[in-house]
Amino acid sequence: DTAVSQTPKYLVTQMGNDKSIKCEQNLGHDTMYWYKQDSKKFLKIMFSYNNKELIINETVPNRFSPKSPDKAHLNLHINSLELGDSAVYFCASSQDLLVQDEQFFGPGTRLTVL
Amino acid sequence: DQQVKQNSPSLSVQEGRISILNCDYTNSMFDYFLWYKKYPAEGPTFLISISSIKDKNEDGRFTVFLNKSAKHLSLHIVPSQPGDSAVYFCAASTLSSGSARQLTFGSGTQLTVLP
Repeated sequence: DTAVSQTPKYLVTQMGNDKSIKCEQNLGHDTMYWYKQDSKKFLKIMFSYNNKELIINETVPNRFSPKSPDKAHLNLHINSLELGDSAVYFCASSQDLLVQDEQFFGPGTRLTVL
Repeated sequence: DQQVKQNSPSLSVQEGRISILNCDYTNSMFDYFLWYKKYPAEGPTFLISISSIKDKNEDGRFTVFLNKSAKHLSLHIVPSQPGDSAVYFCAASTLSSGSARQLTFGSGTQLTVLP
């Protein structure tokens, strides 16, 4: 019974295309996140949503648009894909905004832009 | 400008010995530190954490030490087991704007425990 799930696991697409990655958590958490793991392996926060509201929006191109239809889902839509968008994208959730403890991560989506 | 640094990309240790993974940080506003473990094709999973008001936290075979004056923390695993082979990420937390906690991760250290 997966706590945080992401689909698809792998995504290969051409430059200029638009694609979406879906994320769902069944933990009843209020807060969800998107991270990007770049080629240097750093995990960097992209967005944070709390109860469907955008809380953190790091310096991310506006081609990236998160959408939260409800607090159990946080999808990531990417327009006009570029080569530099190739990375592993992780969704995560935590109980709430202020929790100091663990975030629960999904298995990641490896995006390859050709 | 990386605020959390793990300078050793890899570490190999014999089974049964101690593994010591190191992490340095630059932002003095960090007040909570965590270690995550990651197996291939999986997301990171939480391992252990420590508040900045403590200098040590222990959980079974895992102990995290925090040296605030040196802005350094370390994870000790003893005894190391082959199943501990994974990438270990150090992360630091602070309250960002909007009163939300935000994690900043290091680049990870690949630990290999040799049987």
